[in-house]
Amino acid sequence: AQSVAQPEDQVNVAEGNPLTVKCTYSVSGNPYLFWYVQYPNRGLQFLLKYITGDNLVKGSYGFEAEFNKSQTSFHLKKPSALVSDSALYFCAVRDRGNNNDMRFGAGTRLTVKP
Amino acid sequence: NAGVTQTPKFQVLKTGQSMTLQCAQDMNHNSMYWYRQDPGMGLRLIYYSASEGTTDKGEVPNGYNVSRLNKREFSLRLESAAPSQTSVYFCASRLAGRGNTQYFGPGTRLTVL
Repeated sequence: AQSVAQPEDQVNVAEGNPLTVKCTYSVSGNPYLFWYVQYPNRGLQFLLKYITGDNLVKGSYGFEAEFNKSQTSFHLKKPSALVSDSALYFCAVRDRGNNNDMRFGAGTRLTVKP
Repeated sequence: NAGVTQTPKFQVLKTGQSMTLQCAQDMNHNSMYWYRQDPGMGLRLIYYSASEGTTDKGEVPNGYNVSRLNKREFSLRLESAAPSQTSVYFCASRLAGRGNTQYFGPGTRLTVL
């Protein structure tokens, strides 16, 4: 079965600095990859996804992610962090062969300090 | 357009009690899902319904049952709650089609004493 690793439990950055939240995945076939964000006491909000085509995907709130097949990674990035970006971020993978079984990483807590 | 709604928002049960978590979506989505979220473990799929009339087990189905009542509604039942089922439960839905996005409800926080 597919799996996702988010190697950092916590990422701290200063406001205005670039941020990266890391994600690597394992899947038998070709993946669909997703990033979600969760604010306190809320559900998950969709940020962006990679389906096919351009490896650089742009999403909501200025976030982007790059699909790297050789490194099996899908890191989330933003050029200039905001305090309001502080939240819990989840990477998820779905095998194209099983469109209903999506696996999530454990989550990375991003804290942006003023 | 409310998206995915869940009731209740919070619930406290005693061990052995039963309850049903309700989920509804108004996006005309075909597929619906139940997840549980535990600290440090991300979200894990309990059950899903690929289309009206079908349900299938996910990664952690033991102790749960589901009903796809109609296209809009998908309920999760705990027949005899255990402390290990203390968690936050999320419902999600998705339009059928490869690569389509799952959209999540606000969650139900369940505590089993």
